[in-house]
Amino acid sequence: GAVVSQHPSRVICKSGTSVKIECRSLDFQATTMFWYRQFPKQSLMLMATSNEGSKATYEQGVEKDKFLINHASLTLSTLTVTSAHPEDSSFYICSAPRGRNEQFFGPGTRLTVL
Amino acid sequence: AQRVTQPEKLLSVFKGAPVELKCNYSYSGSPELFWYVQYSRQRLQLLLRHISRESIKGFTADLNKGETSFHLKKPFAQEEDSAMYYCALSGRDTSGTYKYIFGTGTRLKVLA
Repeated sequence: GAVVSQHPSRVICKSGTSVKIECRSLDFQATTMFWYRQFPKQSLMLMATSNEGSKATYEQGVEKDKFLINHASLTLSTLTVTSAHPEDSSFYICSAPRGRNEQFFGPGTRLTVL
Repeated sequence: AQRVTQPEKLLSVFKGAPVELKCNYSYSGSPELFWYVQYSRQRLQLLLRHISRESIKGFTADLNKGETSFHLKKPFAQEEDSAMYYCALSGRDTSGTYKYIFGTGTRLKVLA
């Protein structure tokens, strides 16, 4: 089946630094990718839709300047958490649709901001 | 407004009992409906989709357009079914924008 990877799998950073998370579709092209945030034992929260070649679409309440999304190619989308703070600590997951509209999910990135 | 509603955050059943995870949706067009599952320490994965009309791991889901529901059912729950289940909808809105909307999820616990 299709594979979506994320890098890094976990990152610990100091408050005020920026962190970049990569999402790659390994064996298919994705003009659209989605970014989610998941708190422990809670549901997915869609943050934004990443569109190749155009601006990302953010969900209500998600700060565009805080969570920068770049869909640089048909296989890569990046999420940069700028000036991270402890409240940004979370599990970030990406997904990409393929074929008959099935979403393939990355394994997630655990961000801890000290 | 486009929305997927899963009214139960947590559903606990005993092994061998029937299971029904509820999902209702609101969408202006003709959506495609899915169920995704997330087992402990694993990534989300597709369980089934309405257009396939399939049964996966004993689970089935029927799209009821009149009630705008897509409930997930299994006649006899197994302990390994314990997981987080998400109902999802995809389609294009009136402006042609592709949308993929997830419900808030239901945690299923199957008790021995």
